[in-house]
Amino acid sequence: GDSVTQMEGPVTLSEEAFLTINCTYTATGYPSLFWYVQYPGEGLQLLLKATKADDKGSNKGFEATYRKETTSFHLEKGSVQVSDSAVYFCALRGIWAGSYQLTFGKGTKLSVIP
Amino acid sequence: DTGVSQDPRHKITKRGQNVTFRCDPISEHNRLYWYRQTLGQGPEFLTYFQNEAQLEKSRLLSDRFSAERPKGSFSTLEIQRTEQGDSAMYLCASSLNRGTGELFFGEGSRLTVL
Repeated sequence: GDSVTQMEGPVTLSEEAFLTINCTYTATGYPSLFWYVQYPGEGLQLLLKATKADDKGSNKGFEATYRKETTSFHLEKGSVQVSDSAVYFCALRGIWAGSYQLTFGKGTKLSVIP
Repeated sequence: DTGVSQDPRHKITKRGQNVTFRCDPISEHNRLYWYRQTLGQGPEFLTYFQNEAQLEKSRLLSDRFSAERPKGSFSTLEIQRTEQGDSAMYLCASSLNRGTGELFFGEGSRLTVL
């Protein structure tokens, strides 16, 4: 079945540091890929997405590129801020028609210190 | 606030009791999802409704679990004869029946079974 493996945390960075959170997936065909973020005390919210190979999703300074050859969707940000402290989840949606079920990774907790 | 709302936010119960959670989706969204999240894990899909029809159920949804969406608006998730292993955060999400299929999550209902 479909699965997502993401880098284990927690990750602690200083403000303005470069961030990479690795995500790889196993799925049939060409799934859609997502990064969701959960800020403290809030629900999960979509950060960015990519629906086909070589697509780049971007939002709030974060980027991720859908790499079919390496089945990866790594999340990057050039300069993190304290407000980026949150738990980040990589997820995929399989190709089966009519299914909007998401398969999530375990999440990576990011703490950014001033 | 017009986001997804869930009630109660936290429920503590004794093993063997029944519990019910309610989810009110974003009003124009006709798709509704239930996920379960345990500590240190990503959300796991439980079930999905399109309007009032329950179209997908995970094998995680044992016979003790039942979900309804009687009028295609709010939904309830009932757990009968609770077990300690049911302790988790129960997440509800909703989406439109078109476009990106982005899921909008509520803040969750945390269940603690003593």
